Amino acid sequence: AQSVTQLDSHVSVSEGTPVLLRCNYSSSYSPSLFWYVQHPNKGLQLLLKYTSAATLVKGINGFEAEFKKSETSFHLTKPSAHMSDAAEYFCVVGNYGGSQGNLIFGKGTKLSVKP
Amino acid sequence: EAGVTQSPTHLIKTRGQQVTLRCSPISGHTSVYWYQQALGLGLQFLLWYDEGEERNRGNFPPRFSGRQFPNYSSELNVNALELEDSALYLCASSLGDSEYNEQFFGPGTRLTVL
Repeated sequence: AQSVTQLDSHVSVSEGTPVLLRCNYSSSYSPSLFWYVQHPNKGLQLLLKYTSAATLVKGINGFEAEFKKSETSFHLTKPSAHMSDAAEYFCVVGNYGGSQGNLIFGKGTKLSVKP
Repeated sequence: EAGVTQSPTHLIKTRGQQVTLRCSPISGHTSVYWYQQALGLGLQFLLWYDEGEERNRGNFPPRFSGRQFPNYSSELNVNALELEDSALYLCASSLGDSEYNEQFFGPGTRLTVL
């Protein structure tokens, strides 16, 4: 069965400092992994996706994530936080085994950025 | 290119009533997914439609149902509303059911059940 665990429910950083949002996954086969962001009262926007082509994945707005199979991790990073990065971030695994078709979401990490 | 659209944006219903939510996918996308984002429960998968057929459903009671039309738009119906149905309902679409086709989300419909 597929699952994701976001290790922090809330992360607070200062503007200009690095961001690290942690995610571990469990999958019975090679997973598809995604990070989505949700700004307040908005829908979900895809930041980046891993589909086995490269272990370091670059996304939008300066975010990137590294797939580490040995650690079953897919942490999201950004070198320098901006105020506009304050939002909720979801680590997601695709539940495609047996044509399930849906995404399985982590519980989310709320990122706060202090001036 | 227009994104996924949902209507209405907000609605308020009372317990026992029925509600229909609507979703239009991105042009060319054949798969539509419905998710519920309830406070404290996170994002949970509800239903998946592809080419007019229901392909999979999440762990929700039968009073949650839907359909997909020939133009690939979709409706989500919820009967006999309960207070715990209050949530943001998100629709997403993708090119197909391949794991490489990411899902694009609409802005959601906020349902409040009183």
